[in-house]
Amino acid sequence: EVRLVETGGGLIQPGGSLRLSCAVSGFTVDGNFMSWARQGPGRGLEWVAGFYSDGTEYYVDFLKGRFTISRDISKNTFYLQMSSLTADDTGVYYCAAGDWGSLGWGPGTLVTVSS
Amino acid sequence: DIVMTQSPDYLAVSLGERATINCKSGQSVLYSSNNKNYLAWYQQKPGQPPKLLITWASTRKSGVPDRFSGSGSGTDFTLTISSLQAEDVAVYYCQQYYTTFPWTFGQGTKVEVK
Repeated sequence: EVRLVETGGGLIQPGGSLRLSCAVSGFTVDGNFMSWARQGPGRGLEWVAGFYSDGTEYYVDFLKGRFTISRDISKNTFYLQMSSLTADDTGVYYCAAGDWGSLGWGPGTLVTVSS
Repeated sequence: DIVMTQSPDYLAVSLGERATINCKSGQSVLYSSNNKNYLAWYQQKPGQPPKLLITWASTRKSGVPDRFSGSGSGTDFTLTISSLQAEDVAVYYCQQYYTTFPWTFGQGTKVEVK
């Protein structure tokens, strides 16, 4: 059974950094397209970053280099490092597996950027 | 990016009646080499992640009730719930995966019971 669980969300001040984790079971992070999506107030659902099994990384343009995706194959976990956070980054962050999230999504972790 | 536009934003339907949601893409998502439409439909209930219902515009994912059906091609698509059940109350999203990452979602259609 495919299972993904996000951790690492919370309240962070503007300008701060946060690292989200996605622990995966049921398949390997190096065998599928793995990605992060978010859902913020007023922004709807949007994909943020992802990587293919060969390690090729993809990012949405508007992030302007603030977010970095990575993986630890030994832990079967992948990450989203976020920096220079603003209120616009507030939302629920989901990790997903498979092209266009076809294999499954985690329950999400809430990130709130506020002073 | 391909812009996806859904209509209506909100839909209230009586139990047992048909619900129809439309999705229009800013450019065709039909790939001519394989004649497939790169279009998916998701259902999202409060406090839950999106759940994939339909891929390739009309292929139901295993376990999805057959009252859900997808149709359309090119730029215009429809999700139909043939007989609305109480458990179908949710927000529905279309998403194109024709392009490379990032794929894009519609703004969502909220379905409630009248």
